[in-house]
Amino acid sequence: AQSVTQPDIHITVSEGASLELRCNYSYGATPYLFWYVQSPGQGLQLLLKYFSGDTLVQGIKGFEAEFKRSQSSFNLRKPSVHWSDAAEYFCAVGAGGYQKVTFGIGTKLQVIP
Amino acid sequence: DGGITQSPKYLFRKEGQNVTLSCEQNLNHDAMYWYRQDPGQGLRLIYYSQIVNDFQKGDIAEGYSVSREKKESFPLTVTSAQKNPTAFYLCASSPLGQGGQFFGPGTRLTVL
Repeated sequence: AQSVTQPDIHITVSEGASLELRCNYSYGATPYLFWYVQSPGQGLQLLLKYFSGDTLVQGIKGFEAEFKRSQSSFNLRKPSVHWSDAAEYFCAVGAGGYQKVTFGIGTKLQVIP
Repeated sequence: DGGITQSPKYLFRKEGQNVTLSCEQNLNHDAMYWYRQDPGQGLRLIYYSQIVNDFQKGDIAEGYSVSREKKESFPLTVTSAQKNPTAFYLCASSPLGQGGQFFGPGTRLTVL
């Protein structure tokens, strides 16, 4: 069965600092990997996705993620965090076709001045 | 503008009553999904549908029912059999064969 682990429940960073959110997955074949962001009381927005090809994926809002098959990881990064990035971030893994995905429990990001 | 709408945003019901949550999309997506979100548990799949008049149970389907009579609509009924229905419910859609789901704004259901 597919699964996703986000080991950090809460992360606090200073505005302007770099950010890395960790995600490890378990999947039998080549996975489809996603990162989503959720503001409080809102739906989820897709930040980026990986299916194949270049293992460094660029997304919206200045985010990027790197797929490392040997480590079963898909960590999300941003070189300089803005206060508006404070939100909850979800990593997800799935297959093709109907796109049934499994979500991690999320990482809440707090940005301090 | 294309998107997914969920109504209402907040819903209150008495224990023992069935309640139906609305989800409509105008993205022409084939697949639609219902998730339940509880604090600290991420998103859990309730039901999903790939085509009209067909749907499958997800991981936590007990106490819920759905229908897919139209491509753009996928309503979720929370029945009185659901033991702990108070939660945030999210609807999503995706084009078949491609990646990424698009989410609605969610409905927060509180059962009193």
